[in-house]
Amino acid sequence: AQSVTQPDIHITVSEGASLELRCNYSYGATPYLFWYVQSPGQGLQLLLKYFSGDTLVQGIKGFEAEFKRSQSSFNLRKPSVHWSDAAEYFCAVGGHDYKLSFGAGTTVTVRA
Amino acid sequence: DAGITQSPRYKITETGRQVTLMCHQTWSHSYMFWYRQDLGHGLRLIYYSAAADITDKGEVPDGYVVSRSKTENFPLTLESATRSQTSVYFCASSPLRAHNEQFFGPGTRLTVL
Repeated sequence: AQSVTQPDIHITVSEGASLELRCNYSYGATPYLFWYVQSPGQGLQLLLKYFSGDTLVQGIKGFEAEFKRSQSSFNLRKPSVHWSDAAEYFCAVGGHDYKLSFGAGTTVTVRA
Repeated sequence: DAGITQSPRYKITETGRQVTLMCHQTWSHSYMFWYRQDLGHGLRLIYYSAAADITDKGEVPDGYVVSRSKTENFPLTLESATRSQTSVYFCASSPLRAHNEQFFGPGTRLTVL
């Protein structure tokens, strides 16, 4: 069975500073990996995804993530955070069925 | 409008009552899912469906029932609501050969008193 760990429950970052959210997964083969963002009171929006190929993937809103097989990680980064990036972020892993397993989420607070 | 919709968006009910949450998608996606979101748990899969008339249990199915008579609809029923079922419920859909990518509805906030 697949699983995801997001070690950081809550991160506070200053506007304009860089952001990195950690994600570790467990899966026996090459996984499908996703980052979703949830703004308060909203549904989940896909930020980016990794299926195969280049291990550095670009997403929407200036986010990127890097797949590192040796570390079973898929960390999300943004070079310069905007106040609108305050949200909850979920990492998810899928395998060769059609289901996803989600991490518990990381809440990002942006201070002025 | 195209997409995935959920109704109602907010619902308050009492313990023991039956509640049905609706999910409708206009993409004709094969797969549909129901999740609940609780603090500290992320999203947990309740039930899923690969096609009309094909449903299966997820991680936390107890107390819930689903049906899928049409591809576009996937209602979730709480047969006798309990306080522990107070949560935010999300419906999602996924097309064939999408490498598990899922598209989410806006959610239903359910409170059981």
